[in-house]
Amino acid sequence: QQQVKQSPQSLIVQKGGIPIINCAYENTAFDYFPWYQQFPGKGPALLIAIRPDVSEKKEGRFTISFNKSAKQFSLHIMDSQPGDSATYFCAAGHSGYALNFGKGTSLLVTP
Amino acid sequence: GAVVSQHPSRVICKSGTSVKIECRSLDFQATTMFWYRQFPKQSLMLMATSNEGSKATYEQGVEKDKFLINHASLTLSTLTVTSAHPEDSSFYICSARDGSYNEQFFGPGTRLTVL
Repeated sequence: QQQVKQSPQSLIVQKGGIPIINCAYENTAFDYFPWYQQFPGKGPALLIAIRPDVSEKKEGRFTISFNKSAKQFSLHIMDSQPGDSATYFCAAGHSGYALNFGKGTSLLVTP
Repeated sequence: GAVVSQHPSRVICKSGTSVKIECRSLDFQATTMFWYRQFPKQSLMLMATSNEGSKATYEQGVEKDKFLINHASLTLSTLTVTSAHPEDSSFYICSARDGSYNEQFFGPGTRLTVL
């Protein structure tokens, strides 16, 4: 049973566009929802994380929107740049414990 | 802060040999470390959770006698792939829990190729 469903699988946007990646989770007990960025051959790097007591969190050009009732959360990348081209993973779980990962979204930002 | 290192970054070995991968938290103490495996263009799959000073907890389908995990100190966990075979070739990634922030930080990964 997949605990976290992520879409789309891949995404192409032009520079300056706003890619949006969506995730849905099953377990209402989850209290930690991070997003990771991974470049080829590298480990995932924590981008931004949110907890269910807030509906939105911004850090630089990255924003998480969280809808607790719908059990969904999404990542928005403002003013996207070619350097943002990477694979993005959402995850859900209990902070400090093993995370359940989505299948990843391959983002390509064209010049 | 919150840096996790892995060594080696790449290893190539012959079938039947054993390989040890180290995971270190450089600037924080990690009571819990996690080991993941990632196949090309796929997501991370949790292999095991290790707590300092106790036996690791393995996920269903992961052979504990093949993937030996030791978490001997608050900054070091090791994964030993015993009698490696080509199907064990993968990208192995560790992560460590920073108790101060209750967040999880990942190492850079180790690419294992078994010939």
